[in-house]
Amino acid sequence: GEDVEQSLFLSVREGDSSVINCTYTDSSSTYLYWYKQEPGAGLQLLTYIFSNMDMKQDQRLTVLLNKKDKHLSLRIADTQTGDSAIYFCAESISSDKLIFGTGTRLQVFP
Amino acid sequence: DTGVSQNPRHKITKRGQNVTFRCDPISEHNRLYWYRQTLGQGPEFLTYFQNEAQLEKSRLLSDRFSAERPKGSFSTLEIQRTEQGDSAMYLCASSLDQGIHGYTFGSGTRLTVV
Repeated sequence: GEDVEQSLFLSVREGDSSVINCTYTDSSSTYLYWYKQEPGAGLQLLTYIFSNMDMKQDQRLTVLLNKKDKHLSLRIADTQTGDSAIYFCAESISSDKLIFGTGTRLQVFP
Repeated sequence: DTGVSQNPRHKITKRGQNVTFRCDPISEHNRLYWYRQTLGQGPEFLTYFQNEAQLEKSRLLSDRFSAERPKGSFSTLEIQRTEQGDSAMYLCASSLDQGIHGYTFGSGTRLTVV
């Protein structure tokens, strides 16, 4: 079945690293994505990883994929107050649609 | 190109009325998707088009919902006889082909049924 799970909330101090975790169930996922949503706004694509990769780095963002455990994480280095938002992981099913998790609300405090 | 555009941004309607939303995708994108997002949840897939063909519809899309993309460009989503449970953010996204590099989302239309 298709199910993507995330922890609901994460609070970090400005300047620290944030790690947001995600687990998925469909082993046929081809691509996995991280999106950011700010209040009242649509979703902004942050990064993605192909299922045959185990790591991808893009500036402050590092994505780790453990395909065996179906676990995906997003690490944000040097977290800033502007990073406060809801973060969604999503898996691509048969390349026809995305299945999203429930989102992790990241709060960054000074 | 200014990205994916959705109109209106907000819609308040009385229960039982019909509503229609519009989505203008990025011009070179041949795929267009509709998602629904309720408070505290992630977006849920509703349907998608490749050019003008509607290729998949979710079980969430009851017979009161209909979507069209007549010329393979903009799309409309109509909800007939709205119910309070239809209150949600309706998100449109577009992609080139299968969207390997991700979808581009619009800002959404927030529907409130009173």
